Amino acid sequence: EAQVTQNPRYLITVTGKKLTVTCSQNMNHEYMSWYRQDPGLGLRQIYYSMNVEVTDKGDVPEGYKVSRKEKRNFPLILESPSPNQTSLYFCASSVSGRDSNEQFFGPGTRLTVL
Amino acid sequence: AQSVTQLGSHVSVSEGALVLLRCNYSSSVPPYLFWYVQYPNQGLQLLLKYTTGATLVKGINGFEAEFKKSETSFHLTKPSAHMSDAAEYFCAVTLPNSGYSTLTFGKGTMLLVSP
Repeated sequence: EAQVTQNPRYLITVTGKKLTVTCSQNMNHEYMSWYRQDPGLGLRQIYYSMNVEVTDKGDVPEGYKVSRKEKRNFPLILESPSPNQTSLYFCASSVSGRDSNEQFFGPGTRLTVL
Repeated sequence: AQSVTQLGSHVSVSEGALVLLRCNYSSSVPPYLFWYVQYPNQGLQLLLKYTTGATLVKGINGFEAEFKKSETSFHLTKPSAHMSDAAEYFCAVTLPNSGYSTLTFGKGTMLLVSP
């Protein structure tokens, strides 16, 4: 089944404790992206990747890191999480970032930083 | 910079009534436009999209949207609401100068359907 998977689905952590949220897609998509969703703000793009070893900042990159060493994986790293990073995070992928291709979304990761 | 405005954070309709969810965009060049739906505790799913050509676009589940350049709008409609349509709906835009790589979302509209 074609899908985007994220792990973990739920995470409660404390301020300053490094964490990684994994994202994997099995559709051989070139483009991958991370968003955060907050009530009343919709989805905002954190980082995106046009292909392996190619990443770029979205609208709200502060406090986040990403890497794209393999085509299928696009982990989101929070080196020192803070409470304002409590949010619902979505990973998405599409065939290419250069056209109107549909973005396929993962199920989301709900992160709480205490 | 592009932006998307969805009028109304919540819209309530009765089952069988017309659904109208409003979306306006701000862009100096013609954008590509999308509507996504998010059911509770799920990720987003594409309903429909407009790129070029016919301005009336039909999507899944009986939804359609019309691109009106003069009004910079892309409103989503459905003639008859079903209970299963209750969800949050997001309008999104992307531009050619971003290589279509940046998708900007509106803040979302929650559709409530009553029996």
